[in-house]
Amino acid sequence: SQQGEEDPQALSIQEGENATMNCSYKTSINNLQWYRQNSGRGLVHLILIRSNEREKHSGRLRVTLDTSKKSSSLLITASRAADTASYFCATVPYSGGGADGLTFGKGTHLIIQP
Amino acid sequence: DTEVTQTPKHLVMGMTNKKSLKCEQHMGHRAMYWYKQKAKKPPELMFVYSYEKLSINESVPSRFSPECPNSSLLNLHLHALQPEDSALYLCASSQEVRGLVKNIQYFGAGTRLSVL
Repeated sequence: SQQGEEDPQALSIQEGENATMNCSYKTSINNLQWYRQNSGRGLVHLILIRSNEREKHSGRLRVTLDTSKKSSSLLITASRAADTASYFCATVPYSGGGADGLTFGKGTHLIIQP
Repeated sequence: DTEVTQTPKHLVMGMTNKKSLKCEQHMGHRAMYWYKQKAKKPPELMFVYSYEKLSINESVPSRFSPECPNSSLLNLHLHALQPEDSALYLCASSQEVRGLVKNIQYFGAGTRLSVL
């Protein structure tokens, strides 16, 4: 089942601008991850943030986590045409014992205009 | 090698056919997953295998039958599917270390299935 909403559902910006997308979830989590999917292909892991972390950086990516609001945001700075894709947040449950399936948000479709 | 290989890439089948989807990884991962993704929707979990044993079945209809012959291979056997089963089927794997929950998953490119 899906965790919750992703906001916005679609986002179109100019190359070089920053893109911010948000995700909400419903249950207690062990960690939250962001994945990218190009044109109905496989998903690629981008970044993971644990429930006891508030912010994480990786290259041009910055993710925040607010467990009190059960929400996360992903910021992509200095966007490039190659960043055009769908972005999904995914949660691992708090009670997870190892191999748990991911529960995905609805996703944000990001279009970078050249 | 961080690759998960899925075959075939595309599959068209009739409602009376029997077919199988195949997934292979050589990363030594002991957890493997099947997800179903409809157009413009997020992936939805179907099955989880942990150490070659089925650990999670998300109430998937019996016309989908998973199989994990060994730690590198995962199959999904399809029989008597319905047109609404048309979707992208994604396989993933992750390194499972007991007591350590991280669960970064590596996905294959998927099999696009059309049921006529």
